[in-house]
Amino acid sequence: GQQLNQSPQSMFIQEGEDVSMNCTSSSIFNTWLWYKQDPGEGPVLLIALYKAGELTSNGRLTAQFGITRKDSFLNISASIPSDVGIYFCAGQLAGANSKLTFGKGITLSVRP
Amino acid sequence: DGGITQSPKYLFRKEGQNVTLSCEQNLNHDAMYWYRQDPGQGLRLIYYSQIVNDFQKGDIAEGYSVSREKKESFPLTVTSAQKNPTAFYLCASSLRLENEQFFGPGTRLTVL
Repeated sequence: GQQLNQSPQSMFIQEGEDVSMNCTSSSIFNTWLWYKQDPGEGPVLLIALYKAGELTSNGRLTAQFGITRKDSFLNISASIPSDVGIYFCAGQLAGANSKLTFGKGITLSVRP
Repeated sequence: DGGITQSPKYLFRKEGQNVTLSCEQNLNHDAMYWYRQDPGQGLRLIYYSQIVNDFQKGDIAEGYSVSREKKESFPLTVTSAQKNPTAFYLCASSLRLENEQFFGPGTRLTVL
């Protein structure tokens, strides 16, 4: 099936730093989504993007839908300890009746 | 409160026993999904259902079975044929197949 590439698998940052993560594919997507999963919980939707070039913020989080429609990035500014978790990207492939494809996720650790 | 519930949060079973995990949603969503998550792994799709009385195999359906007799409910049975059933199981739902998915809190299954 189609794949979304997220790398590296893990990121380690210092509290207060900004961090950026991206999600890429060789296919074109109609929708890009970013989820965060806290340890032992289900993923929670952070930001949804529906249009190429769209830039959307949610508090300290900003995400963009790439112009080529093949990528998206998520930026977290001024990180805090509760930002720890797994960040998944997901996309809906161009074409009708297509379910979401998920990336493998990036585990973020924040050092106090 | 609208949402997705999974019960129980923790489940223990002896090897060789079938076990059924519950997933209920009151969001009036047509589509529902089951994922398996292993430590350090992404989300792997087990089964999904677009509408009542219909379901499709995902990437790792062997050893699992589902039913969709009601719109609100999508139970997953982990059978004794599943060789390595210990994992974290996540249920999700979406308005339609191509829309953003919302996740339940997960069930951690341990087979002893």
